Amino acid sequence: ILNVEQSPQSLHVQEGDSTNFTCSFPSSNFYALHWYRWETAKSPEALFVMTLNGDEKKKGRISATLNTKEGYSYLYIKGSQPEDSATYLCAFLAGGTSYGKLTFGQGTILTVHP
Amino acid sequence: EPEVTQTPSHQVTQMGQEVILRCVPISNHLYFYWYRQILGQKVEFLVSFYNNEISEKSEIFDDQFSVERPDGSNFTLKIRSTKLEDSAMYFCASSERPSGLAGQGQETQYFGPGTRLLVL
Repeated sequence: ILNVEQSPQSLHVQEGDSTNFTCSFPSSNFYALHWYRWETAKSPEALFVMTLNGDEKKKGRISATLNTKEGYSYLYIKGSQPEDSATYLCAFLAGGTSYGKLTFGQGTILTVHP
Repeated sequence: EPEVTQTPSHQVTQMGQEVILRCVPISNHLYFYWYRQILGQKVEFLVSFYNNEISEKSEIFDDQFSVERPDGSNFTLKIRSTKLEDSAMYFCASSERPSGLAGQGQETQYFGPGTRLLVL
């Protein structure tokens, strides 16, 4: 059974703060790591798909890094805004014959206070 | 921007009843998925589907579950005889190419907003 863990479970920050959270995943049989942003009552929004060790991706104020050898990815938000409040999900995709079976972490709930 | 849609947004049913959850994937996508999230738990994979066949399914996806692409646009999940433990948010997703095969590691799965199913 694959184990994908995210920490912290929840986070409260003030507007303007920078923040980061972690996704841990198996370091063997890695294929890809997906990050999603999920606001209540909306569709989870794809942020990044990361595949290479050392990958760093950026989308506006959000960036992510990947370390496949040690099995972790960090998501960073620079200058948090209230509209960044959401649950951030990571999902691991194993190699081999997996037809897109994503294994999710439990999510980090971010609340940005004005 | 194209999006995955799901209907209904909420459904309440009695234990033992059949339910059909509907999804309209993004129009040029060929690979389809169902996931669910039981309240307080992780999002978990149910099934992937391509070319009118199941590609992969989890142990959750037993004989009570079935999927179908009845026409060129809809993708459905049927639960034949619902149980209390089937209460969850059910998400449909689609991708243009398979997410897990060689050379397709960058493929994004696009999710719908979910159907919240409550079994009483």
